[in-house]
Amino acid sequence: AQSVSQHNHHVILSEAASLELGCNYSYGGTVNLFWYVQYPGQHLQLLLKYFSGDPLVKGIKGFEAEFIKSKFSFNLRKPSVQWSDTAEYFCAVYGQNFVFGPGTRLSVLP
Amino acid sequence: EAQVTQNPRYLITVTGKKLTVTCSQNMNHEYMSWYRQDPGLGLRQIYYSMNVEVTDKGDVPEGYKVSRKEKRNFPLILESPSPNQTSLYFCASSLRGVASPLHFGNGTRLTVT
Repeated sequence: AQSVSQHNHHVILSEAASLELGCNYSYGGTVNLFWYVQYPGQHLQLLLKYFSGDPLVKGIKGFEAEFIKSKFSFNLRKPSVQWSDTAEYFCAVYGQNFVFGPGTRLSVLP
Repeated sequence: EAQVTQNPRYLITVTGKKLTVTCSQNMNHEYMSWYRQDPGLGLRQIYYSMNVEVTDKGDVPEGYKVSRKEKRNFPLILESPSPNQTSLYFCASSLRGVASPLHFGNGTRLTVT
């Protein structure tokens, strides 16, 4: 069975700080990997996705993620966060089906 | 505009009163799915559908039913709602389950008293 874990429940950063959110999954086969963002009161939106090829993928709003197959990880990064990045972030994996992690709430202080 | 439409956005009901939450997508997507979102638990899949007349249980299907009679619609049915089904529900669709990202509806906040 697939599962997804996210390292942090809640992360608090000041503006301009660097961000890294951890995501690990368990599944033995080929996977497609996603990060979604949910701004307060809104639905989930796709940040970036990895299907194959270059393991470093770039998404919208300056986010990027690196797929490390040997570690079953797909960590999300941003070099300098803004107050508007305050949101909940979900890692998701598609192996047999879509499975989401529990989410990480990011609070960026102005 | 390409979108996934859920109705209603908010619903308050009483225990045992059957209800249906509708979901419709206009993108000709094959894959559709229902999730519930609860604090600290993230999104948990209730049911999904790979295509018309093909539905499968997700992680938390108890107390829910779905149907997929048409490609665009994927209603979620609660035959006898209970308070533990109070949650935020999202419908989502994708072109092909394997290689396409999900498009989400705006959510339905359900309260069962």
